[in-house]
Amino acid sequence: GENVEQHPSTLSVQEGDSAVIKCTYSDSASNYFPWYKQELGKRPQLIIDIRSNVGEKKDQRIAVTLNKTAKHFSLHITETQPEDSAVYFCAAEDSNYQLIWGAGTKLIIKP
Amino acid sequence: NAGVTQTPKFQVLKTGQSMTLQCAQDMNHNSMYWYRQDPGMGLRLIYYSASEGTTDKGEVPNGYNVSRLNKREFSLRLESAAPSQTSVYFCASRKEFSYEQYFGPGTRLTVT
Repeated sequence: GENVEQHPSTLSVQEGDSAVIKCTYSDSASNYFPWYKQELGKRPQLIIDIRSNVGEKKDQRIAVTLNKTAKHFSLHITETQPEDSAVYFCAAEDSNYQLIWGAGTKLIIKP
Repeated sequence: NAGVTQTPKFQVLKTGQSMTLQCAQDMNHNSMYWYRQDPGMGLRLIYYSASEGTTDKGEVPNGYNVSRLNKREFSLRLESAAPSQTSVYFCASRKEFSYEQYFGPGTRLTVT
């Protein structure tokens, strides 16, 4: 079945710098890859997603890139701000249309 | 719209006790999910329901049962709680022809 690995587990960046989080997946049939943000004590919320028919998608300061050949996708956050501090989860859709989740990345924005 | 709601927010159980976690959504979504979240392990699917009247096991179903009471409600039952079930439980729902899942606020369960 599908397996998703996410790195790094913790990422600390200076405010204003960029942050990149990477995920790899195992099932080449997966077609949908979302990213969720979870603030401390809150519920996960979708921030951006990408389908396999595109290589990149952007929404203001966040972007996701997908390399289907290498089976990896990445979240890019530019000009980081204090409110970007959170745990970020990637996921990949499996053959039953369910999401398999990465273990999460804790992003710390240093002032 | 309230979205996805869960009760209770917090619960402490003794080993062997039973309880039911309640989840309801008012978005007319077909699919509903129960996840558990443990530190460093992301979200793991316990059970899901693709439509009213159907339920299927996810990655970690042992020790749990579910009921899809109607289109709005999906409950999770622990018959005999164990310390290994200490976790944060999230319910989620998804509308037809969309992949986005909407999460409830979570239930923090501690089993002593």
